[in-house]
Amino acid sequence: GENVEQHPSTLSVQEGDSAVIKCTYSDSASNYFPWYKQELGKGPQLIIDIRSNVGEKKDQRIAVTLNKTAKHFSLHITETQPEDSAVYFCAASRNDYKLSFGAGTTVTVRA
Amino acid sequence: NAGVTQTPKFRILKIGQSMTLQCAQDMNHNYMYWYRQDPGMGLKLIYYSVGAGITDKGEVPNGYNVSRSTTEDFPLRLELAAPSQTSVYFCASTGEGTEAFFGQGTRLTVV
Repeated sequence: GENVEQHPSTLSVQEGDSAVIKCTYSDSASNYFPWYKQELGKGPQLIIDIRSNVGEKKDQRIAVTLNKTAKHFSLHITETQPEDSAVYFCAASRNDYKLSFGAGTTVTVRA
Repeated sequence: NAGVTQTPKFRILKIGQSMTLQCAQDMNHNYMYWYRQDPGMGLKLIYYSVGAGITDKGEVPNGYNVSRSTTEDFPLRLELAAPSQTSVYFCASTGEGTEAFFGQGTRLTVV
């Protein structure tokens, strides 16, 4: 099955700086790569996703890049704000369902 | 829109007891999932269903059972609770080509 590795496990950034989280996947047939944000006491919520026919996607301060050859994808958050503090999960799947998740990154934005 | 609703939010079980975690979605999604989340381990797929009457095992199915008699409901059954089943459980659903929507989670402690 798919194996997704995520780094780093924790990330502390100064407000206004950028945050980058990286994930690698093992199944070359995976074609869907979502990122989820989980706030304390809540379920994960989709923040951005990318499909394998696209190399980069942006949504305001959030961007995701995908390198299919190297089998890795990254989440970039620019101009971080305190409300960006949360746990972020990457995931991968080959068919839009049955997601395999990374272990998560706890992001802390320091004021 | 209710989305995905899980009950209960919290539960303490004694070793050997049984219980059912309830999950319901009102988005007419075909696909439903149960994940468990352990600290630093991400989300692991327990069972999933691609439609009413169809269920299949995920990565960590041992000690659990599911049923899917309707499109809306996907209960998870623990027959003989063990301390290793102490975790936070999330139910999720997806439609065709849509994002996964998660419930708020059930925090289960087995003592």
